[in-house]
Amino acid sequence: DTGVSQNPRHKITKRGQNVTFRCDPISEHNRLYWYRQTLGQGPEFLTYFQNEAQLEKSRLLSDRFSAERPKGSFSTLEIQRTEQGDSAMYLCASSLPPDPEYFGPGTRLTVL
Amino acid sequence: DQQVKQNSPSLSVQEGRISILNCDYTNSMFDYFLWYKKYPAEGPTFLISISSIKDKNEDGRFTVFLNKSAKHLSLHIVPSQPGDSAVYFCAASAAGNTPLVFGKGTRLSVIA
Repeated sequence: DTGVSQNPRHKITKRGQNVTFRCDPISEHNRLYWYRQTLGQGPEFLTYFQNEAQLEKSRLLSDRFSAERPKGSFSTLEIQRTEQGDSAMYLCASSLPPDPEYFGPGTRLTVL
Repeated sequence: DQQVKQNSPSLSVQEGRISILNCDYTNSMFDYFLWYKKYPAEGPTFLISISSIKDKNEDGRFTVFLNKSAKHLSLHIVPSQPGDSAVYFCAASAAGNTPLVFGKGTRLSVIA
């Protein structure tokens, strides 16, 4: 297994455009998490799934953000009508409790 | 309000000496603590964890100490190596399976 993968690694977009990121977790992991990290901060939790069920969403996740994990495998995170404040590193992690979360390399979003 | 605090943004240590990274938390419901290491342009990499039923956990050069009464944990790296230079994040969760809450990180520089 090659670990958690995320695509794309970098995304530059203009304000107001929609973007979608993909995360492929470690294959036997039933939990999948999305975090956001900005400069000088630690990762901040956005949402997580157990299999295909979205169990928790942070208040950081505004209505413009939506995440899915349709078959309990890969997940997508979509941001609609991007704003400059959305510029950040978006991190995906997966786990099989009680083991720890393992992170992917992240998608760096720049909104111009 | 930061529930997990890493009060030292940076630390420099000579190669071969001990590195001690500190972390404080405020939420008494936290019972599982982890340390992650992050290189630039990569996702966080899991290093070591400790549950609240223990006060010490060792893995090779890495030891984590937990002082529940003080709500404090520390990561010791002995001996420090130049490859240890990275940003170290402390993270915590409640009931072991809730999403992680991260500190802001400490940048460790190990000088040869």
